[in-house]
Amino acid sequence: GAGVSQSPSNKVTEKGKDVELRCDPISGHTALYWYRQSLGQGLEFLIYFQGNSAPDKSGLPSDRFSAERTGGSVSTLTIQRTQQEDSAVYLCASLQGYEQYFGPGTRLTVT
Amino acid sequence: QQPVQSPQAVILREGEDAVINCSSSKALYSVHWYRQKHGEAPIFLMILLKGGEQKGHDKISASFNEKKQQSSLYLTASQLSYSGTYFCGTSSGGSNYKLTFGKGTLLTVNP
Repeated sequence: GAGVSQSPSNKVTEKGKDVELRCDPISGHTALYWYRQSLGQGLEFLIYFQGNSAPDKSGLPSDRFSAERTGGSVSTLTIQRTQQEDSAVYLCASLQGYEQYFGPGTRLTVT
Repeated sequence: QQPVQSPQAVILREGEDAVINCSSSKALYSVHWYRQKHGEAPIFLMILLKGGEQKGHDKISASFNEKKQQSSLYLTASQLSYSGTYFCGTSSGGSNYKLTFGKGTLLTVNP
């Protein structure tokens, strides 16, 4: 079956612009994560959605970052006024049991 | 706090064994292991829960020392396909949904 998909796969943007990253989780998975992965670093937790519960936003690094999940399925991560330090791979994962299924990621480059 | 993984990198010949360690300064509820090949999404290997329960894929074994807040992943009779970066993710506080990942251990298996 289809896995987690993310779009775009690559995004180059100018400093100060806003970007939107999209995640389509596996159908039926009620929990969804966003992570950030910088070169040589581990996976940095950003936000967690579970069903209709309030999301855990404790990992968002600043108020320039926000995410929403519409209809319990597709999620969008928005970064406003991008900075060069935002350059990273942004990974989305949906959860089944204990296992997180990761998407291929969006590589964001801020110039 | 981010768990500490050791070693940072290891090079093996096919058929050799390796141990990857993950250590935390916090009391742990669960430890999750993932492998990420270059340019690909991380994939789930195993979860170890406080109390001794383990769930994971065949041919992978791991241990969880709750008192020492440490976990070890055992890779035996390594194959070329084992190459990749191994991440441990830890949770605490009675919940296993929010993970803090280590920086990873790069494993290279050569013929």
